[in-house]
Amino acid sequence: DTAVSQTPKYLVTQMGNDKSIKCEQNLGHDTMYWYKQDSKKFLKIMFSYNNKELIINETVPNRFSPKSPDKAHLNLHINSLELGDSAVYFCASSAPRGYTFGSGTRLTVV
Amino acid sequence: KQEVTQIPAALSVPEGENLVLNCSFTDSAIYNLQWFRQDPGKGLTSLLLIQSSQREQTSGRLNASLDKSSGRSTLYIAASQPGDSATYLCAVWTASKLTFGTGTRLQVTL
Repeated sequence: DTAVSQTPKYLVTQMGNDKSIKCEQNLGHDTMYWYKQDSKKFLKIMFSYNNKELIINETVPNRFSPKSPDKAHLNLHINSLELGDSAVYFCASSAPRGYTFGSGTRLTVV
Repeated sequence: KQEVTQIPAALSVPEGENLVLNCSFTDSAIYNLQWFRQDPGKGLTSLLLIQSSQREQTSGRLNASLDKSSGRSTLYIAASQPGDSATYLCAVWTASKLTFGTGTRLQVTL
C-alpha cells in the first residue's frame, strides 16, 4: 500500500490552463504539505495543513490554492499556469516519527 | 531564517570506500533532522531521523550524527556500493516545516 500517493505523475499543459494535483495519505497523519522542487533540484515548502486547517502559506502566488476536504487529502489547484510553474511538486505528510513523501508530480507548462 | 547547506555538492568514490556527507544549519532551535535520498526522477526516501535530543542514529551501513550546538550533522556511509548512487538531502525540522539543504550528488563507481 502506498503511504502517500499523488496523481497524476506527469502533467503537460499549456500556459493559461487550470490544473489540479491530488494527494492522499493512508498513514493517519494530521499534517500534510506541498513542496516544490525547482529546476535546480531545490525543495521548498509551499503549504502546510494540519487537520484540514492551513498552517503555512509560504509566499506562494494566489494562483495556487490548496484544498483539504479531510485530513487524509490535500489537493493543489493551480490557475492560469505560467511557464515558471514548471517543476516537480511533492506532497508529504508528517508525524513525530518522520516525514513521508509522495513520488512527485512533474508539471511541464508549454 | 533557517538556512541549510550541504558539502560537498557532488562526490564520486570507488566502490567499497567509506564516506561522509556534511550538513550545516544556521538556527540550532530545531525539532529533528532527517536524511533522505532521491534517485533521479524519483521521490524522496527517508533514511534516518535524528531527534533533537539524540546524538546519532544508525541503520545498516548508514550512521547519522547531530550536533545541535554547532549546527551540524553528518551522514556516514560505510562500504559504499553502486546502488548508493543518488542525491542525499538533509532536512531540518522546525515546529511547522522541513527546510531542505542543497543536496549532495553521490556517484559510486565500480
